[in-house]
Amino acid sequence: DTEVTQTPKHLVMGMTNKKSLKCEQHMGHRAMYWYKQKAKKPPELMFVYSYEKLSINESVPSRFSPECPNSSLLNLHLHALQPEDSALYLCASSQEPGTGGLGYTEAFFGQGTRLTVV
Amino acid sequence: KNEVEQSPQNLTAQEGEFITINCSYSVGISALHWLQQHPGGGIVSLFMLSSGKKKHGRLIATINIQEKHSSLHITASHPRDSAVYICAVRSGGKTSYDKVIFGPGTSLSVIP
Repeated sequence: DTEVTQTPKHLVMGMTNKKSLKCEQHMGHRAMYWYKQKAKKPPELMFVYSYEKLSINESVPSRFSPECPNSSLLNLHLHALQPEDSALYLCASSQEPGTGGLGYTEAFFGQGTRLTVV
Repeated sequence: KNEVEQSPQNLTAQEGEFITINCSYSVGISALHWLQQHPGGGIVSLFMLSSGKKKHGRLIATINIQEKHSSLHITASHPRDSAVYICAVRSGGKTSYDKVIFGPGTSLSVIP
């Protein structure tokens, strides 16, 4: 199984809602990442989890709250988002953690969650 | 000037053509990734390179560390190759804080 699964694929939420994005991998990877991607732009790293511990937070606003309940699962909790937070949110994992994202080995990405904040 | 640049920005090719996408960077790197992103959004990692050349099917990636340049070649291009191709470099080394810098992407359209 070389898949990173993200749910949901699409999400529309109001600015007062609380929602969560989920990412799962069963490849035994020790690093997991959240990226945000705006249209026609490259991905921007948000968070890195290394061995289930948050190792990098790229100055992301507190309305985004990551959580790594176990080595296979990564959540991104969303609360009081703004319309400018609408984007594609991508999860990735890699076997060996790197401090800056993508790891020292091949990275596997999920299909992303397309988030619209209204 | 961006630390990672790609050329061309957009590329349209006829099916069957040989395609080259270039990536140049201005920082010291420990590895370079080529990624493919289809319109649906998901990203596929094509190659990770630190030296030399790698081949997978119709795709070939090369890197010249001295020149700070990498190329992605697609032989016998097909409409299903239509996607955005992103070059990403890892700057720094294993013993120090490193950073991944993404290029702006090259949008490829292969016409039947």
